[in-house]
Amino acid sequence: EAGVAQSPRYKIIEKRQSVAFWCNPISGHATLYWYQQILGQGPKLLIQFQNNGVVDDSQLPKDRFSAERLKGVDSTLKIQPAKLEDSAVYLCASSSIGGYYGYTFGSGTRLTVV
Amino acid sequence: DQQVKQNSPSLSVQEGRISILNCDYTNSMFDYFLWYKKYPAEGPTFLISISSIKDKNEDGRFTVFLNKSAKHLSLHIVPSQPGDSAVYFCAASGNTGGFKTIFGAGTRLFVKA
Repeated sequence: EAGVAQSPRYKIIEKRQSVAFWCNPISGHATLYWYQQILGQGPKLLIQFQNNGVVDDSQLPKDRFSAERLKGVDSTLKIQPAKLEDSAVYLCASSSIGGYYGYTFGSGTRLTVV
Repeated sequence: DQQVKQNSPSLSVQEGRISILNCDYTNSMFDYFLWYKKYPAEGPTFLISISSIKDKNEDGRFTVFLNKSAKHLSLHIVPSQPGDSAVYFCAASGNTGGFKTIFGAGTRLFVKA
């Protein structure tokens, strides 16, 4: 089966600019996650979708971050305006019902804000 | 609030020997625990999991042990191979104010040939 696809792989922007990331999960996976991984730390959940509904966005900085999952498939994560501390790898993951057998992660987008 | 802690940033082991990676957690409400492996420039890859009602789960060279009273789990890799060199993340899942998975900061394993 095809894996979780993410684009772009790398992005460099100036602070206060906007950026968007795209994710295509594994076909049939109802749950989609966006994680932020800052260098030296573990992944931190930003938002979780079940089909096209939001399950958890408690750690999403909603003043600057937004995410959507249209038609319960692809998802986009946007940052506007970006800050220096947003420099991180943004990981998308998907899973079928339940996570006991783990999530399947994409390769991530490395964002550098200068 | 670090609910999942991996206190060793790195570990170096000789090929063929045992690698033991440790993880501590603080919340007794977690339902299951997972280990992921991550190579550079790739996303984490699921390795093995264990339910909170078990104390051991084994899959080939990988065994995870859970000590609920100590809120501690460990991943044993026997025998270690150079291809095991990666960052290993411990994660815990449960209803801790909404069902979510929380990751530790990771331990970088070096397996020397």
